[in-house]
Amino acid sequence: AQKVTQAQTEISVVEKEDVTLDCVYETRDTTYYLFWYKQPPSGELVFLIRRNSFDEQNEISGRYSWNFQKSTSSFNFTITASQVVDSAVYFCALSEGYNFNKFYFGSGTKLNVKP
Amino acid sequence: DTAVSQTPKYLVTQMGNDKSIKCEQNLGHDTMYWYKQDSKKFLKIMFSYNNKELIINETVPNRFSPKSPDKAHLNLHINSLELGDSAVYFCASSQPLSTGETQYFGPGTRLLVL
Repeated sequence: AQKVTQAQTEISVVEKEDVTLDCVYETRDTTYYLFWYKQPPSGELVFLIRRNSFDEQNEISGRYSWNFQKSTSSFNFTITASQVVDSAVYFCALSEGYNFNKFYFGSGTKLNVKP
Repeated sequence: DTAVSQTPKYLVTQMGNDKSIKCEQNLGHDTMYWYKQDSKKFLKIMFSYNNKELIINETVPNRFSPKSPDKAHLNLHINSLELGDSAVYFCASSQPLSTGETQYFGPGTRLLVL
């Protein structure tokens, strides 16, 4: 079974629309960390956020927000008022334990924001 | 100033060769990483070094070895290259991930094994 599932392979929206990228994870550990990364068409990787399993508070950073729900094992990412520059592949990841010795990436969701 | 740099940017080589990819960070970070992204864009963390101690060791072949001459560098050595090693390799650095600090990535090195 996949540790991190990003069921949406590709999403297309029109600029200014809100969009949510789903991430479902699987772990039996009580201590774990969740991450989101962005990979624009230019190919570089950009770290967006890290969340630990003891902090279920939602996070907001500008137009980006993250909804962590342990009850559904989900860590979803929402972009409000999307822009063309948000077009990228977004990866969710899970790290189990304190030592980060088990680290799993999802397969990524490609977001296309059209003008 | 480049925060995390990698050299070379492109590397084309023959099967069986040994090659190295260099990574340097000027951010004063304690931890550095290597990631691999294959042709299907699947990402995998390979290694992490914190104060010269390996703290993540993904199940990568032992043909891959990270070497850290100092805190600012984590080089990736690959012996006996195979076709399946063709990928983009990213270096990154951060303070320990448990602190929640941002990770910074290098631009990537595209390795093609012929």
